[in-house]
Amino acid sequence: GIQVEQSPPDLILQEGANSTLRCNFSDSVNNLQWFHQNPWGQLINLFYIPSGTKQNGRLSATTVATERYSLLYISSSQTTDSGVYFCAVEPHTGNQFYFGTGTSLTVIP
Amino acid sequence: DADVTQTPRNRITKTGKRIMLECSQTKGHDRMYWYRQDPGLGLQLIYYSFDVKDINKGEISDGYSVSRQAQAKFSLSLESAIPNQTALYFCATSDPSGGELGTQYFGPGTRLTVL
Repeated sequence: GIQVEQSPPDLILQEGANSTLRCNFSDSVNNLQWFHQNPWGQLINLFYIPSGTKQNGRLSATTVATERYSLLYISSSQTTDSGVYFCAVEPHTGNQFYFGTGTSLTVIP
Repeated sequence: DADVTQTPRNRITKTGKRIMLECSQTKGHDRMYWYRQDPGLGLQLIYYSFDVKDINKGEISDGYSVSRQAQAKFSLSLESAIPNQTALYFCATSDPSGGELGTQYFGPGTRLTVL
């Protein structure tokens, strides 16, 4: 199946700092989503972004489908941004979603 | 009310017991999924269903079975639970005909512990 790699695996930020999370995938995709898993385990949709750029408040995402990567930008981080960020992709060749192993973000006050 | 609900939210059971996890959705989506998350890892797909008559195995279906009782209900069963099935289980739905095709929406998860 398709390989999905996220980097960095862990990130610690001071409140107010900016960060960039990366998702690389090994094949063409129909669908790419970014999720935030909060410390209570809940999975929250951030972006549906198989290509292009989107912004939602302090968060934005860019997917360059031809180069098989996506970036999630977090600006002016807050403690409530802590948790694990997952990238999930659906390849052209199938109907399943494949998740990366996530980036664990800790924002300290 | 939540669009995707899971019951129970937490369950502790013993090796060899049969367990059923239930998922209900009010989003009207045809597609439903069951995932498993092990500590420190991403989610892995167990089974998925594109309508009531369509059931498909995912990456890690061994030891699990599912039932799609209606468009809104999708149940996951562990026929004979074993300790390495201890994990967080998520149900999800999607609608490929929607505005953002195929966006997945997740339930709150069921934390299962097999002793």
